[in-house]
Amino acid sequence: EPEVTQTPSHQVTQMGQEVILRCVPISNHLYFYWYRQILGQKVEFLVSFYNNEISEKSEIFDDQFSVERPDGSNFTLKIRSTKLEDSAMYFCASSERARTERDKNIQYFGAGTRLSVL
Amino acid sequence: RKEVEQDPGPFNVPEGATVAFNCTYSNSASQSFFWYRQDCRKEPKLLMSVYSSGNEDGRFTAQLNRASQYISLLIRDSKLSDSATYLCGHNQGGKLIFGQGTELSVKP
Repeated sequence: EPEVTQTPSHQVTQMGQEVILRCVPISNHLYFYWYRQILGQKVEFLVSFYNNEISEKSEIFDDQFSVERPDGSNFTLKIRSTKLEDSAMYFCASSERARTERDKNIQYFGAGTRLSVL
Repeated sequence: RKEVEQDPGPFNVPEGATVAFNCTYSNSASQSFFWYRQDCRKEPKLLMSVYSSGNEDGRFTAQLNRASQYISLLIRDSKLSDSATYLCGHNQGGKLIFGQGTELSVKP
């Protein structure tokens, strides 16, 4: 069964450092997403990406964050200067292109990257 | 009012019990709803999607009440392996908005 893969599974970094979280979405999917879950809290939307550009981003996704699809398979999330409060699980998700209504697209999640900022 | 609100639980039930969770949402324009299951420190996994009044899959039944803006999940004959956190979410223009999840613990 095709799946979304994320690397690394755990990333430890010092405050102020840049991190890049990597994702390989399901191969025939065209919509890509990043979500974040701080320990003990709910899963929160960060950004959606379609056709090589950001479709929508949340208030959390400020200038410190960026996304990129550098090639035909990878989808990355970069945090330029990490803060302690960026410590969280980061989930990548993907969904097929819409047949009728985009809202009905099922999103499949990767196993996540646990980011620890020290 | 929160966009999606769930009773955090935990719900502690014996094996074989029937348990129901409710989820309320504030956006009356929402059309698509989902129940995901999340095991501890793992990714959300889709359990069920609900686009009309409800959906059923084996022991799991989801009901949508648009007038009252809530969606429910019923689990019949619960198994030990059903122990997890159940996330209610709706799709808003392509992004998923989740509640904080309801924790279920099924005991022998």
